[in-house]
Amino acid sequence: AQTVTQSQPEMSVQEAETVTLSCTYDTSESDYYLFWYKQPPSRQMILVIRQEAYKQQNATENRFSVNFQKAAKSFSLKISDSQLGDAAMYFCAYRSAFVAAGNKLTFGGGTRVLVKP
Amino acid sequence: DGGITQSPKYLFRKEGQNVTLSCEQNLNHDAMYWYRQDPGQGLRLIYYSQIVNDFQKGDIAEGYSVSREKKESFPLTVTSAQKNPTAFYLCAAGAGVGETQYFGPGTRLLVL
Repeated sequence: AQTVTQSQPEMSVQEAETVTLSCTYDTSESDYYLFWYKQPPSRQMILVIRQEAYKQQNATENRFSVNFQKAAKSFSLKISDSQLGDAAMYFCAYRSAFVAAGNKLTFGGGTRVLVKP
Repeated sequence: DGGITQSPKYLFRKEGQNVTLSCEQNLNHDAMYWYRQDPGQGLRLIYYSQIVNDFQKGDIAEGYSVSREKKESFPLTVTSAQKNPTAFYLCAAGAGVGETQYFGPGTRLLVL
């Protein structure tokens, strides 16, 4: 079974600065997808960014970018130019690319991001 | 307006009572999922359905039941066998392999 680990329970960042969230995962599969979801105080889960394992290029969405290291099984999220609205819980998630796996998401325990004005 | 709706937003359960959480989607996605989130933790999969009239157990299915009679609906019943039901429940839908899952706003279940 796959596992996802987020080793930082909480991170604090100054507004306009950059913060990097860590995520490692364990899998024996070669084809999979990785995601970062944001959960603000409303508790709605919002997709931030997604990465296909077969793509070497790191995904980018505006101020959010990832550092995907397949061999190291590492998938970190960088938030640049942090804004007050970025304050939330961030979850890393894994999904197998195999149909038989049912497209299930396996989540890490989350990292709380605090943004200081 | 496309999306996933969950109701109610808050639900109270008495001891020994079964309660049903509603999840509806108009995204026309084949697959639907139920997750449970406990305070300060990530989400854990309860049940999922990849197609109408079919569903599979997730990692923590004990004490829960589901049905999938219509593509747009995937209700979750929390039975009296679930001894610790207090949690936040999230429903999600996805188009298929490789496609992103989108989440509803959630239902908070509390035990009286």
